Amino acid sequence: GQQLNQSPQSMFIQEGEDVSMNCTSSSIFNTWLWYKQDPGEGPVLLIALYKAGELTSNGRLTAQFGITRKDSFLNISASIPSDVGIYFCAGPEGKNQGAQKLVFGQGTRLTINP
Amino acid sequence: GAVVSQHPSWVICKSGTSVKIECRSLDFQATTMFWYRQFPKQSLMLMATSNEGSKATYEQGVEKDKFLINHASLTLSTLTVTSAHPEDSSFYICSARDTYEQYFGPGTRLTVT
Repeated sequence: GQQLNQSPQSMFIQEGEDVSMNCTSSSIFNTWLWYKQDPGEGPVLLIALYKAGELTSNGRLTAQFGITRKDSFLNISASIPSDVGIYFCAGPEGKNQGAQKLVFGQGTRLTINP
Repeated sequence: GAVVSQHPSWVICKSGTSVKIECRSLDFQATTMFWYRQFPKQSLMLMATSNEGSKATYEQGVEKDKFLINHASLTLSTLTVTSAHPEDSSFYICSARDTYEQYFGPGTRLTVT
């Protein structure tokens, strides 16, 4: 099946630093989604991207849908302690991407040193 | 935004017993719900897709007789782990879809002793 390769797997940064993570696939996705998961909780949608080349912001978060439709990145500016968690990229699986199943990347675990 | 709840949030059971987990969409109707399993430090793995009023569709490798899914109404889906074993211990997360996106529940931590 389709796979999403997410990197880095983990990041250890100082508070106030900017963060960048990315997600790649060998197949085309028509939608890219970025989620954050706090410990012991379900994922929460941060940003959804629907168009190749699209650049979307949500506060200090910015995500882009790669023009090849095979990659996406998420940036976090001026990190704060509440940014700690696991970030997942995801996309609809299958040729019929109106089908609703999501495939997830492996996640990027963000740790912030105060 | 749309809210999805799960009950219980955590459960401990003995090996060989069955456990039922509920997933509810609180403020919208969901024709489709999904069940995921997440092991420590791993990603979410889809177990099955649940459509209201019909049988669930299970992913390859997921035993349908062990993980019973019932989607009896547009706001409720249940996952029953039958004859649970320690290797079934995991974090189970449901999601419910409206027209536009999936909303995830807070998860249920299952520990089988």
